[in-house]
Amino acid sequence: NAGVTQTPKFQVLKTGQSMTLQCAQDMNHNSMYWYRQDPGMGLRLIYYSASEGTTDKGEVPNGYNVSRLNKREFSLRLESAAPSQTSVYFCASSDRTGASPLHFGNGTRLTVT
Amino acid sequence: GQSLEQPSEVTAVEGAIVQINCTYQTSGFYGLSWYQQHDGGAPTFLSYNALDGLEETGRFSSFLSRSDSYGYLLLQELQMKDSASYFCAAYSGGYQKVTFGIGTKLQVIP
Repeated sequence: NAGVTQTPKFQVLKTGQSMTLQCAQDMNHNSMYWYRQDPGMGLRLIYYSASEGTTDKGEVPNGYNVSRLNKREFSLRLESAAPSQTSVYFCASSDRTGASPLHFGNGTRLTVT
Repeated sequence: GQSLEQPSEVTAVEGAIVQINCTYQTSGFYGLSWYQQHDGGAPTFLSYNALDGLEETGRFSSFLSRSDSYGYLLLQELQMKDSASYFCAAYSGGYQKVTFGIGTKLQVIP
């Protein structure tokens, strides 16, 4: 099993450019999450999706949009990238039965210049 | 709102025991979990506490006190490979929302 797959692994954008980070899981999980990780800031929740067709804002949603395309896929879009969005982005999924563990992808390292 | 506090760094000796504390302020709190992350890697799940008390998983134990909004991760018989960052994470919103602390960087020294 691949688990949670994120693409791309690395990306460099110029200010104002747009891009979509892709995430797919093959564990038939209901819940999916997007986090960003910055030095000294821990993991901050951007958006999450409790089930197919639903999305909710996390702690730092501004500047981002998400789409839960189907049960497997949850994408994160930056419409107009800013240097403050330079970060490592992690996608995660979990089975929504009780407090199931989050399974993380390997991350996308994004640099906005 | 949600906030979790944990020390930023801890140093401990190989073979010793170390405790990493976490205090939280989380509306609609359901439980507390712990994750480990090695440099350059992704976080991996270690443990979860829904009820007060101690949960043991091998060398790792985790404790929760709901009345004190406090938990800790206990690592015994420390090994060099335990050098990593450790995050506490709070479940809320019917287990749907998972919020992380800033992480504690553990350095194990010989």
